[in-house]
Amino acid sequence: DTEVTQTPKHLVMGMTNKKSLKCEQHMGHRAMYWYKQKAKKPPELMFVYSYEKLSINESVPSRFSPECPNSSLLNLHLHALQPEDSALYLCASSPYIRLNTGELFFGEGSRLTVL
Amino acid sequence: AQKVTQAQTEISVVEKEDVTLDCVYETRDTTYYLFWYKQPPSGELVFLIRRNSFDEQNEISGRYSWNFQKSTSSFNFTITASQVVDSAVYFCALSEANTNAGKSTFGDGTTLTVKP
Repeated sequence: DTEVTQTPKHLVMGMTNKKSLKCEQHMGHRAMYWYKQKAKKPPELMFVYSYEKLSINESVPSRFSPECPNSSLLNLHLHALQPEDSALYLCASSPYIRLNTGELFFGEGSRLTVL
Repeated sequence: AQKVTQAQTEISVVEKEDVTLDCVYETRDTTYYLFWYKQPPSGELVFLIRRNSFDEQNEISGRYSWNFQKSTSSFNFTITASQVVDSAVYFCALSEANTNAGKSTFGDGTTLTVKP
């Protein structure tokens, strides 16, 4: 079983809705990531948090708003999404603070459908 | 710029066959890290191995083995005596230590199907 827990596993939302994806890890990792994955494609990096501070924002549209309330939690707030935002959203954490150097531990993802 | 190529889009084998998944990478950095991840139908990417650019030693873990060759910029993955549970998408990834901080480049993945 993964030690990175994501909720909800499935989410269907309309374009005017506001929803949030949640990610939790208790491995003491201080680097946390959001990835987006479309079907039959590799994961695409969205955001990276290091010590609860946003380190990387991969030019993601503002309708995606990340939040890291503490070292164990990572949220992704969604507002006014488009149908093309439908994808699998993966959270990951890493024990390596020097970004890039270590392996990532992924959750099972939240499968988002935007109608 | 960093780049990872997994030329095999799909591979299908029969159980107990050996199978090799290819990964070729490009980087200008002298210090870099290579990874393999497995993504079963459940969706979660599972870390399999990490290798840094200074360690060309091949590695074996049970039925899995990895062949890292800097001379050909390759990091290939072999599954011996494949099993149905090995069916998944396998991603090779590259991270540069000195550039593109925080960004791992993933290959497009190889879908492995192991038939009983």
